[in-house]
Amino acid sequence: SQQGEEDPQALSIQEGENATMNCSYKTSINNLQWYRQNSGRGLVHLILIRSNEREKHSGRLRVTLDTSKKSSSLLITASRAADTASYFCATDSGGATNKLIFGTGTLLAVQP
Amino acid sequence: GAGVSQSPSNKVTEKGKDVELRCDPISGHTALYWYRQSLGQGLEFLIYFQGNSAPDKSGLPSDRFSAERTGGSVSTLTIQRTQQEDSAVYLCASSSRGLGEQYFGPGTRLTVT
Repeated sequence: SQQGEEDPQALSIQEGENATMNCSYKTSINNLQWYRQNSGRGLVHLILIRSNEREKHSGRLRVTLDTSKKSSSLLITASRAADTASYFCATDSGGATNKLIFGTGTLLAVQP
Repeated sequence: GAGVSQSPSNKVTEKGKDVELRCDPISGHTALYWYRQSLGQGLEFLIYFQGNSAPDKSGLPSDRFSAERTGGSVSTLTIQRTQQEDSAVYLCASSSRGLGEQYFGPGTRLTVT
């Protein structure tokens, strides 16, 4: 399988705490993206980090990328109950299609 | 519309029947993707359309699956002679070529009984 791996598979934290999710992938990439999914339906794009970037911020989100280790992390600071969802990393190896290869996902539960 | 739309939202069909799933991408997006999400396989790429170029069908699991995109806009994914293992959520996404991020529709949940 080309799928990346994410850990942890599930994470439960209290509101206000930070949540960190990790992603490892297998091939060289053009960029890596993080998506959020509620209730097993449509995915929402959160943030994109290019292969020549090491860190990126967007609001309460911080993403890091280490291409030498083929890994990325997503940090959500000051979590809220509304952050409860599944989070997926996805790699874009570029080329002709820019198709995404998704990780296995982390199910985050934020307890109020 | 403002986002990607898909229809139907849910489809229950009997094994052996054919089904058609529809995707309306964001206006102006030239790239369109189909993905499948199932419990056992996670999120998998199925097929990609870009403008008038030949589609990338490398992710289609069998020859029972086909897709077309008419006029560079609406796409239909067809599954012939459905099997129980086809049960999944089928997700469509579109993007503006070169920008990276993809915009997903709400998906069609297919259940084959």
